[in-house]
Amino acid sequence: QKEVEQNSGPLSVPEGAIASLNCTYSDRGSQSFFWYRQYSGKSPELIMSIYSNGDKEDGRFTAQLNKASQYVSLLIRDSQPSDSATYLCAVKNYGQNFVFGPGTRLSVLP
Amino acid sequence: GAVVSQHPSWVICKSGTSVKIECRSLDFQATTMFWYRQFPKQSLMLMATSNEGSKATYEQGVEKDKFLINHASLTLSTLTVTSAHPEDSSFYICSARARTASYEQYFGPGTRLTVT
Repeated sequence: QKEVEQNSGPLSVPEGAIASLNCTYSDRGSQSFFWYRQYSGKSPELIMSIYSNGDKEDGRFTAQLNKASQYVSLLIRDSQPSDSATYLCAVKNYGQNFVFGPGTRLSVLP
Repeated sequence: GAVVSQHPSWVICKSGTSVKIECRSLDFQATTMFWYRQFPKQSLMLMATSNEGSKATYEQGVEKDKFLINHASLTLSTLTVTSAHPEDSSFYICSARARTASYEQYFGPGTRLTVT
């Protein structure tokens, strides 16, 4: 059973701090990794995709991938209350569907 | 780019009736579309995967005769919930994958179904 695990949270950080969201996966053959943000009552929206080991930065967001450790993370710098949402990690192996994690609820406190 | 629409955004129906939900990729061709269901405070549950012109592949435990999926074109997929019951009340979300090597999926805004 391919699994993607995330800490369900809630993860609370003060406004302006760095929020660190973590995700581990069991399928060592996974090749594509995605972070989605989902506000309450809304559908997920894609934030970042990462395919190679290392860091990928996009604005305030940085995705980090370590395939050897089967670990992908998302850092949010200068966290804002509007970043409060559930963050879903998704992992994909070639020819297979996405496997979503259960999500981590982030709360940014003003 | 990469916009996916769903219609209707919400629907209330009586038990025993059928409801059709449309999912459209507006600015790209979707080789594959996915249908998810999400209950309150729970994660996404993949129901089925559909490729244009092919029969949908259903996940284990999802009744294919109850949840009819038609992927009629590269921009349209429909989910019909037949003989709906109150336990089918949920948030139904479609997503579409473009014809690129990136495998990124883009989600529609979702349809909230309430069966009374």
